[in-house]
Formats: sequence, structure tokens, C-alpha cells
Amino acid sequence: EAQVTQNPRYLITVTGKKLTVTCSQNMNHEYMSWYRQDPGLGLRQIYYSMNVEVTDKGDVPEGYKVSRKEKRNFPLILESPSPNQTSLYFCASSFRQGASGYTFGSGTRLTVV
Amino acid sequence: QKEVEQDPGPLSVPEGAIVSLNCTYSNSAFQYFMWYRQYSRKGPELLMYTYSSGNKEDGRFTAQVDKSSKYISLFIRDSQPSDSATYLCAMSAQSNYQLIWGAGTKLIIKP
Repeated sequence: EAQVTQNPRYLITVTGKKLTVTCSQNMNHEYMSWYRQDPGLGLRQIYYSMNVEVTDKGDVPEGYKVSRKEKRNFPLILESPSPNQTSLYFCASSFRQGASGYTFGSGTRLTVV
Repeated sequence: QKEVEQDPGPLSVPEGAIVSLNCTYSNSAFQYFMWYRQYSRKGPELLMYTYSSGNKEDGRFTAQVDKSSKYISLFIRDSQPSDSATYLCAMSAQSNYQLIWGAGTKLIIKP
């Protein structure tokens, strides 16, 4: 089944404790992206990747890191999480950026206390 | 002012009603318009895609674009409780440009 898999689904952590949210896709998509979704603000892009070893900042990159060492994986790293990073996170992939139809993962609900 | 505005709702209608969901935008360069549906505890999924102006129909769903008014709509006929979800609009100026998202409208269909 074609899918984007995110892990974990739920995570509660403490301020400053480094964490990684994994994202993997099995569709051979070149484009991958991370979003956060907050009430009233909709989807805001954190980082995106056009291909292996090619990453770029989205609209809200502060406090996040990403890497794209393999085509299928695009982990999101929070090196020193803070409470304002409490949010619902989605990974998405597509053949290319834009109007090609994104496949989203099921989301990771992160709480930073 | 946001580039894309969407009423967050919730919009509550009885089963069988015609539903109209809307987005307005400010960038006249937008040409590609999409509607995504997001069920609770799930990621968004692409529902409808329209290029430029006009209508597109797919079963009970019709997407409409009015570029002169910078306004797009999604109509759902014979609404079902299974249509209860959050509907997000997204748009871009070129087919390979970053998508700009609306905040989503929560729709509730009452049996």
C-alpha cells in the first residue's frame, strides 16, 4: 500500500530534550515536506526537500532541523524542544512540489512540557 | 491579511443538504486550486483539483473557481455523515510552486 509513515503518533517530552520524528514513504517520491498544524493557523510548512541531500526552509523553520540522506526518509529533529513547539505535525510526499497532490502521513501529536 | 482566507466553522448541516465551502484569496497569480479533506486524527487527502477558472465535478462534489472575484468553492450534494471532516483549500501560482493553505473549515453532517 502506498503510504507515508510517521512515528511516533503521540509524544510527550520535556523542554530541552532532543527528539526525532521519523517519516518514511514507499512511493519513490522526490519531494517531501514537514508541516505543523495549529488551530486557526492551518498548515504551516517547516522544511521541505526536493530530492536527496536537497533541503530548504519553509515558513516556520526556527527550532527544527531535517536531513534527507535517502529518498524514502525525511526525519524532523527538534534539538531543544520548547513548549511553543507543541503541535500536530504532518509529513507529506509527492512526485514534485505544488499542484501534484500530496500524500500525508497520519500525524504526530507532540506535547512539550 | 492572510493570502488565503477560510472560515473555520464549524458548519453544521442536516444529512442530505447541499453544502457550500469557500475560500477567498488575495494573490491574482494563483492558477492551481485544490481541496483536501481531513478526517479526525488523520492527515489531509486530496479531494479535488482545478486549474484556472471554471467548474469540475466528481460524483457528489463540485469545485468552482471564480478568478475575477478571487473566490473558490466546494459544493457537496446529498451530504452524508461520512462527509464530516475538515476541508482545506490550497493553491499555487505555478504547478511546481509551494502550496498556500487555508486554515480549514470543520464540517459536521447531522444524521
